[in-house]
Amino acid sequence: AQSVTQLGSHVSVSEGALVLLRCNYSSSVPPYLFWYVQYPNQGLQLLLKYTTGATLVKGINGFEAEFKKSETSFHLTKPSAHMSDAAEYFCAVSDRGAGANSKLTFGKGITLSVRP
Amino acid sequence: GAVVSQHPSRVICKSGTSVKIECRSLDFQATTMFWYRQFPKQSLMLMATSNEGSKATYEQGVEKDKFLINHASLTLSTLTVTSAHPEDSSFYICSARSQGNYNSPLHFGNGTRLTVT
Repeated sequence: AQSVTQLGSHVSVSEGALVLLRCNYSSSVPPYLFWYVQYPNQGLQLLLKYTTGATLVKGINGFEAEFKKSETSFHLTKPSAHMSDAAEYFCAVSDRGAGANSKLTFGKGITLSVRP
Repeated sequence: GAVVSQHPSRVICKSGTSVKIECRSLDFQATTMFWYRQFPKQSLMLMATSNEGSKATYEQGVEKDKFLINHASLTLSTLTVTSAHPEDSSFYICSARSQGNYNSPLHFGNGTRLTVT
């Protein structure tokens, strides 16, 4: 079984400030980890993912995340927030043992607000 | 990039009627499609996994007879909410995987907002 914990439901930052969204996971096997962004009334867009290899993963829109096995974490960061970053962010872990049917387990999401 | 089209984007229906939601992969063949339900300000809850030409696999607690899933082709899966009730009102999202392994990305539709009156 696997799970994802995203502490807090809302993060507010000023435009230009650092964005840090926390994600901790639990998995019985080496995980595949993902961050998705959701804008209102839309589906999810993949920001970045960690599968194997380099633990610092760069994604779209200037976001990056670092896989830390010792801390079971995969926190999402962006050096400088932009107003367009305001959205809902979901961390997810994949059960890769099921091939094409492998499923994503999502955290409950964090709403990011960006103040002008 | 790969596009998943979900239709309709919004639907309002009366209690007791059925509603069909379509999920299409426009430029790729989807070996596997997933259906999620999302309540306001909450995470996505996986309802079922569907593979082309076979019965869907439902998650625990999801009523098969209420949420009928058909994956008739490699580009189309449908979710039918039968005998809808107000508590079925929610945001339904589909996703599709293009290849037969866990490493291929999931592409999400834009969701369907269902309101049952």
